[in-house]
Amino acid sequence: DIQMTQSPSTLSASVGDRVTITCRASQSVSTWLAWYQQKPGKAPKLLIYTASTLESGVPSRFSGSGSGTEFTLTISSLQPDDFAIYYCQQYWSYSYTFGQGTKLEIK
Amino acid sequence: EVQLLESGGGLEQPGRSLRLSCTVSGFTFTNYAMTWVRQAPGKGLQWVAGIASGGGSTYYADSVKGRFTISRDNSKNTLFLQMNSLRAEDTALYYCARNDFGGNWFFDYWGQGTLVTVSS
Repeated sequence: DIQMTQSPSTLSASVGDRVTITCRASQSVSTWLAWYQQKPGKAPKLLIYTASTLESGVPSRFSGSGSGTEFTLTISSLQPDDFAIYYCQQYWSYSYTFGQGTKLEIK
Repeated sequence: EVQLLESGGGLEQPGRSLRLSCTVSGFTFTNYAMTWVRQAPGKGLQWVAGIASGGGSTYYADSVKGRFTISRDNSKNTLFLQMNSLRAEDTALYYCARNDFGGNWFFDYWGQGTLVTVSS
């Protein structure tokens, strides 16, 4: 199985900050990578797919980049609503693994 | 409006069975592959099982293969997960999710989940 590793596990930031979360795959997944946001007690929400395509309705302050084994999710200017846990997921191959999550918390 | 509503979770003893359901609305169910994803308490997300739009192909995580069966009733817009030989490590919130329209294995809509607790 492909292993997905996110860093950092926890990120403390302030409203207005630019933040970047990294996701590394144990082998190439091309650009078959998605990012999700999950808030407490809620289901995950799709943000980005094919590494850099923004899902409809997602604010443009979110962006994704990367290919192969290294990917990033960037939030250009943090808003209060963005404090949540973020997961990457590869869908290049079975078993469609998720990263362990990055908790974005208020500094 | 796309909606997915899971049901069937609860407390069950190890070795017993549970059947989860996910009833959907707001889209043409027969056009989409569907998936179950679980999240153990305080943990991350794990893909569990998936099924093609027509139901002819099914896929499972190694951890549930041979114990869980995913199925669908396209006439009733419902997805199922039959869970047999339950183990303590199956304790989790189980989400049903809709695959991307292109059949890719990422998930654009999710239900709110149904909690399965396996304990004696």
